[in-house]
Amino acid sequence: EVQLVESGGGLVQPGRSLRLSCTASGFTFGDYPMSWVRQAPGKGLEWVGFITTKAHGGTTDYAASVKGRFSISRDDSKSIAYLQMNSLKTEDTAVYYCTRDGDYYDSSGNSINPDPFDIWGQGTMVTVSS
Amino acid sequence: QSVLTQPPSVSGALGQRVTISCTGSSSDIGAGYDVHWYQQLPGTAPKLLIFGNRYRPSGVPDRFSGSKSGTSASLAITGLQAEDEADYYCQSYDASLSAPRVFGGGTKLTVL
Repeated sequence: EVQLVESGGGLVQPGRSLRLSCTASGFTFGDYPMSWVRQAPGKGLEWVGFITTKAHGGTTDYAASVKGRFSISRDDSKSIAYLQMNSLKTEDTAVYYCTRDGDYYDSSGNSINPDPFDIWGQGTMVTVSS
Repeated sequence: QSVLTQPPSVSGALGQRVTISCTGSSSDIGAGYDVHWYQQLPGTAPKLLIFGNRYRPSGVPDRFSGSKSGTSASLAITGLQAEDEADYYCQSYDASLSAPRVFGGGTKLTVL
C-alpha cells in the first residue's frame, strides 16, 4: 500500500525549532519530488515547500512565508522526507501534511504541469504557543 | 487572500448536480497551467480528486468531472450523495509568485 506517515508534531514555544518527518512506503521514494502543505485551524491549504529528486539535484523551493526559516531535506535510503522548522511563529500553527508530487501525462503524452499532490499523509499538528 | 478564487460554499439536494468554480488569472490558469482538485472529508487529509483539469485517479467515481476554459476551471458533481459533503480545493501554478504552487480558498459542499 502506498503510504505517507508524518511524525514529530507537538507544542513548541515561539522562536524554537521542530523537525517533522515523513516516512514513505509502497513506492520508490527516490523517484518522486516531495512537498509539504499546511492547514491552519479552520483555514484552507497552503503550500509550504518542496524538494526535487536527487536526479534533479535535490533542489528546494519554499513559500515566502517560511523562506529562510524552514528547510526540507530527504534521505532516500530511509524513504524519509524532513521539514526542519526554525524560528517558529504563532502563525505557523497548523496541521502539516507531507505529499508526493505525482508524475502524470495527458492523453496527448504531454506532462501534466504542475505535478499534482497525489498521495497525502494523515498530517501532524504543530502548535506554536507560549 | 488566495490566488485562485472559489465560492466559500455551495449546496445541492441528494441526486442533484452541483458545480464549483475556480477563477484564476493570466499568470496561472490562463498561462496554460493545469488545474487539480482535492476533496477533504471532515477530519481527514485531502485526497486528489481530479488532475490535469479533467482526469480522474483510479477509484474516483465518474460522477466527478473537471473542466478548464481560459482563466477558470470547474468541478462538477452529479448524482449528489451524502458522502460528497466535504471541502473542495482547486490548485494550480503561478510562476510570477514566490510560492508558485497555489490553492483556491476552498468550497464547502453541503448536501441537503
